[in-house]
Amino acid sequence: QVTLKESGPGILQPSQTLSLTCTFSGFSLSTYGMGVGWIRQPSGKGLEWLANIWWDDDKYYNPSLKNRLTISKDTSNNQAFLKITNVDTADTATYYCARMNIGTTTGVMDAWGQGASVTVSS
Amino acid sequence: DIQMTQSPASLSASLGETVSIECLASEDIYSYLAWYQQKPGKSPQLLIYAANRLQDGVPSRFSGSGSGTQYSLKISGMQPEDEGDYFCLQGSKFPWTFGGGTKLELK
Repeated sequence: QVTLKESGPGILQPSQTLSLTCTFSGFSLSTYGMGVGWIRQPSGKGLEWLANIWWDDDKYYNPSLKNRLTISKDTSNNQAFLKITNVDTADTATYYCARMNIGTTTGVMDAWGQGASVTVSS
Repeated sequence: DIQMTQSPASLSASLGETVSIECLASEDIYSYLAWYQQKPGKSPQLLIYAANRLQDGVPSRFSGSGSGTQYSLKISGMQPEDEGDYFCLQGSKFPWTFGGGTKLELK
């Protein structure tokens, strides 16, 4: 059974760096075809894809966040991470991590965490 | 970026009614199209991938079709548990982009 869980600071101030952790089980990020993606959703709004990291350490970012994103992984501890620098109120959202599997579902997100709520406020 | 135009933004369906939701891509996405269902306060759940492949465990009343730039999700026989928000996602080209969503309610 694949499970993922996001953790983050909850609240942070403008200009700070948001650090999110995705702890997962049921798959390994060292296995061919596996990946973890990050997606966010402001309250009552739609979904925005942020970044992906793959088993071979290939990374992709959404350019709309203008180089503020860094995605990484710790394969030994089954974790993936996302950092967003210089946050502002527009970054207030629920942040999801999700598993991707090229081998079975062509790489789209097929299992999601419960989401971590992040509020940016002074 | 590839724009995904999803329609309608909302709809209301009766029990047993067949429902269709559309996504139009701004360029060919070669069937790299997925559909998700999201219920209030919950994370999205994958329904369809590769335009027409049913994810394991998803009821067969859900189906997907389309190619090129035009895709659709069909629910054959609306059930109460089908209420929620539906999103399409294109995974053809980075940045991946979602449709704006469709809110489906039971009439």
